[in-house]
Amino acid sequence: DAKTTQPPSMDCAEGRAANLPCNHSTISGNEYVYWYRQIHSQGPQYIIHGLKNNETNEMASLIITEDRKSSTLILPHATLRDTAVYYCIVRVNTDKLIFGTGTRLQVFP
Amino acid sequence: ETGVTQSPTHLIKTRGQQVTLRCSSQSGHNTVSWYQQALGQGPQFIFQYYREEENGRGNFPPRFSGLQFPNYSSELNVNALELDDSALYLCASSLELMGYTFGSGTRLTVV
Repeated sequence: DAKTTQPPSMDCAEGRAANLPCNHSTISGNEYVYWYRQIHSQGPQYIIHGLKNNETNEMASLIITEDRKSSTLILPHATLRDTAVYYCIVRVNTDKLIFGTGTRLQVFP
Repeated sequence: ETGVTQSPTHLIKTRGQQVTLRCSSQSGHNTVSWYQQALGQGPQFIFQYYREEENGRGNFPPRFSGLQFPNYSSELNVNALELDDSALYLCASSLELMGYTFGSGTRLTVV
């Protein structure tokens, strides 16, 4: 079973920041937080991952709370092409990916 | 660098038949995982192959089987197809069990 809880859906205006929350209260010390997204009819795409510290790359930022029980994925300037299902996954680096049902993000003009 | 390619992209089979789906890993990747994604659901882990050996299996019956070849490409075989096997089948490859790159999947319809 997935070890994360995410809201089923969110909306965001184009150009605004999209903040996607994820709860992972049972995360273990050696488990990372990964984010993937899946655009309709495509395979999941890796976005970002982190262990304790906040992370940023060209796609997004990941903010992990100090107790590591929750995190937020931030898309700083959402575009229509960011409309997708976003999956938050916790895993040991060499373990399989266990997907939940994710958050369906709808970016509107 | 080439990504993960899957074939065919779409397939229609009859209940009771057998099907083989194929996956070419991203160059340099030695691990392949297969996932089944039903409509409206997240992908479900079927099994994983690491250096040609099965390295983990999800909650799928034995009629789901696989192979990984020396070039690290892979096949997923499903025997005795059932209507509920209709889904998007995703292949993902990685290097040493680390970050995964997914293919676009094979959409299987069982009628």
